[in-house]
Amino acid sequence: ELKVEQNPLFLSMQEGKNYTIYCNYSTTSDRLYWYRQDPGKSLESLFVLLSNGAVKQEGRLMASLDTKARLSTLHITAAVHDLSATYFCAVNLMGGNQFYFGTGTSLTVIP
Amino acid sequence: NAGVTQTPKFRVLKTGQSMTLLCAQDMNHEYMYWYRQDPGMGLRLIHYSVGEGTTAKGEVPDGYNVSRLKKQNFLLGLESAAPSQTSVYFCATLPFRNTGELFFGEGSRLTVL
Repeated sequence: ELKVEQNPLFLSMQEGKNYTIYCNYSTTSDRLYWYRQDPGKSLESLFVLLSNGAVKQEGRLMASLDTKARLSTLHITAAVHDLSATYFCAVNLMGGNQFYFGTGTSLTVIP
Repeated sequence: NAGVTQTPKFRVLKTGQSMTLLCAQDMNHEYMYWYRQDPGMGLRLIHYSVGEGTTAKGEVPDGYNVSRLKKQNFLLGLESAAPSQTSVYFCATLPFRNTGELFFGEGSRLTVL
């Protein structure tokens, strides 16, 4: 069974600060996904990382993937209040049909 | 173009009652998934389908049944609801395997008393 762990589970940070969310997974996979969920809403895709060493950036968020370490990071630069949300990483097994999600990181950016 | 539509959005059931959640998509996607979301547990896969007429079990299939008689619809059934099935249920779709990210519906909040 594939296990996906995120840390921290809860993160409160001040505006303007930097921080990193970590996503570890237990089984070989070459694809990792990051999603954002606002309270009471659905999930929207942020990044799709398809290979070892992949790095993608969108605004103040940057995601990277190290398949050898089975680790992905989501780095937040100069946080703003609008980034407050829950962030999920998800992994699917190589050649598999199932997507396994982490427990989520609830981010609150304080003005 | 509605994308992924779930009905109903909210439902309250009594223990032992049955109900069906409908997921409808207009994107002609092959793959469809049902997840449940519970606090502190992320999303867990209940059942999924890789095409019309096919279904498969996910991580937490017990107490649920599914059907995909038409490509655009994926139904999730609870035959005898239990309080442990109180959750938010999300449907998601994918064009083909290894084609990128999932597209999610808005969610259905189910409470079992």
